[in-house]
Amino acid sequence: SYVLTQPPSVSVAPGQTATITCGGNNIGSRRVHWYRQRPGQAPVLVVDHDSERPSGIPERFSGSNSGSTATLTITRVEAGDEADYFCQVWDSSSRHIVFGGGSKLTVL
Amino acid sequence: QVQLVESGGGVVQPGRSLRLSCAGSGFNFSDHTIHWVRQPPGKGLEWVAFISYDGGLEDFAESLRGRLTVSRDNSKNMVYLQMNSLRSEDTAVYYCARDGDTGYYVFDHWGRGTLVTVSS
Repeated sequence: SYVLTQPPSVSVAPGQTATITCGGNNIGSRRVHWYRQRPGQAPVLVVDHDSERPSGIPERFSGSNSGSTATLTITRVEAGDEADYFCQVWDSSSRHIVFGGGSKLTVL
Repeated sequence: QVQLVESGGGVVQPGRSLRLSCAGSGFNFSDHTIHWVRQPPGKGLEWVAFISYDGGLEDFAESLRGRLTVSRDNSKNMVYLQMNSLRSEDTAVYYCARDGDTGYYVFDHWGRGTLVTVSS
């Protein structure tokens, strides 16, 4: 089955840029979605279809996807961005919906 | 606004069954595929199942196929997940999520989840 690999943790100082990666075999040929999950809360979609931003999500959140890596970038990081972030794809060849293991973003 | 509310969770003994419900409001419910996603305590997200907008198509995670049934009643804006032969490893928060229906299975709105604990 298709596997998505994320770093377990990412740390960044306030005001800096956080980069969270999501690796997968030829992931660039798939559409990647990203979710933020704050402690005790449900996930929230923050980037869809590689780089689209849903209504209400700040411009500080952006995404890209090419080759074997998709990336979620958060600029001007704030304390409120501290959360778990999950990538997700639909693998059409296996018809599986797959999540990455999640990355915990810590704001120092 | 779009709202999804899960119910039906609780403590259940191994081997027993449980039916979860998902109530939708604030959108045209019958236009959207609905998914179930679960999250064991302290762990990541796992897709469980989906049912298409009209109930004509459904699918399940391979590891769970055979123990689950999903159904919907669009007249009541409800989706149901029937789970049988429950095991301790089924302990998790179960979320229902609306599909954005773009063809790429994106979960654009989520409920708050309902906790299922399988324990004797």
